[in-house]
Amino acid sequence: SQTIHQWPATLVQPVGSPLSLECTVEGTSNPNLYWYRQAAGRGLQLLFYSVGIGQISSEVPQNLSASRPQDRQFILSSKKLLLSDSGFYLCAWSVGRVGFGSNQPQHFGDGTRLSIL
Amino acid sequence: SQKIEQNSEALNIQEGKTATLTCNYTNYSPAYLQWYRQDPGRGPVFLLLIRENEKEKRKERLKVTFDTTLKQSLFHITASQPADSATYLCALEGGNGNKLVFGAGTILRVKS
Repeated sequence: SQTIHQWPATLVQPVGSPLSLECTVEGTSNPNLYWYRQAAGRGLQLLFYSVGIGQISSEVPQNLSASRPQDRQFILSSKKLLLSDSGFYLCAWSVGRVGFGSNQPQHFGDGTRLSIL
Repeated sequence: SQKIEQNSEALNIQEGKTATLTCNYTNYSPAYLQWYRQDPGRGPVFLLLIRENEKEKRKERLKVTFDTTLKQSLFHITASQPADSATYLCALEGGNGNKLVFGAGTILRVKS
């Protein structure tokens, strides 16, 4: 069966520090991968998605970047965190190859709660 | 502008009753709509997907309807249980690159 792992579960970082959040998927090949941010009481905001190794699409201009160095690894990074980067970050995957789109369910990790001080 | 609206107020119901959650959208023409459940501090869990040519979809105690004329989806949980208490998110095809766009969710509380 497929599983998705995200770590760490919680993170407290000072303003201006770097960030690296990692997400790995097991049990599937060539998945579509996603990074979302969820603010309290609001919907999930898509930050980045990837349909293959090295292929990253950014949805909103921001202080963050994403990379996909391996088929089932997705990394969210920042060189210098801002207070506004606080939030709940979620990684998700969906079946690839059949076409990127909403006709496939997305499967989420348990998220990282990021607090910037 | 494009909007997805779910009841921002929590829905409180008695155990055994049917819970009905609403998802309305504006200026989208989704071919698909999905519903997810999210527990506090956890990631969303996929529940059901319904296509625009499907009026209704069922899975155990869950039922989803999709009315493209009203631009609305209804999510029903029959014989609700306290374990059904969670936030329920609707998500639809965003149109631009077929990305999923999520609503803010509705909190459901089922009291015994």
